[in-house]
Amino acid sequence: DAGITQSPRHKVTETGTPVTLRCHQTENHRYMYWYRQDPGHGLRLIHYSYGVKDTDKGEVSDGYSVSRSKTEDFLLTLESATSSQTSVYFCAISEQPRSYSYNSPLHFGNGTRLTVT
Amino acid sequence: KNEVEQSPQNLTAQEGEFITINCSYSVGISALHWLQQHPGGGIVSLFMLSSGKKKHGRLIATINIQEKHSSLHITASHPRDSAVYICAVITQGGSEKLVFGKGTKLTVNP
Repeated sequence: DAGITQSPRHKVTETGTPVTLRCHQTENHRYMYWYRQDPGHGLRLIHYSYGVKDTDKGEVSDGYSVSRSKTEDFLLTLESATSSQTSVYFCAISEQPRSYSYNSPLHFGNGTRLTVT
Repeated sequence: KNEVEQSPQNLTAQEGEFITINCSYSVGISALHWLQQHPGGGIVSLFMLSSGKKKHGRLIATINIQEKHSSLHITASHPRDSAVYICAVITQGGSEKLVFGKGTKLTVNP
């Protein structure tokens, strides 16, 4: 299994509080992604990174920010959590960008279940 | 309309049955993934294909680019195959992206 660790695995927080989720990889892969998974939806991309300090928005980026100061760590921050951000969050990594990932599959972490009350 | 549609949403089978899960998409793609998500939540990549057919053990994935359709088959199903199976496509074009289906929940009863 690819070395991806998400922390925490579960978190309950109150509306309006800041929350940071961490994704740590030991594969030295360049590309890292944050997705959210909600009932009735497929996985949706929040933000992604194509290198240290290089990040870009995905399709559901409002209310989220990210940082990548080291190759191995990709942080997702909810500046002021809302109930609509209750979800399961997945980090993923790949060696190549998605369009060239024929021989570079996407590897997922085990997810973080976040509940905002 | 979602760009990636999976059917059925839920599927219950008896151990030993042949299983087919379908994925249809409405956009041009460069490749398609099949992923498996176990009840514990972890997601693993099963196949990535851009044409034809791939086989791994009891799993077979096929794709028909002209018909914009892919199928995942499981032969001699087993309770350990119980999981959510997710289809995802890599779209073509200037802004390539990975679009996921909503998943098919498979339950295989002993």
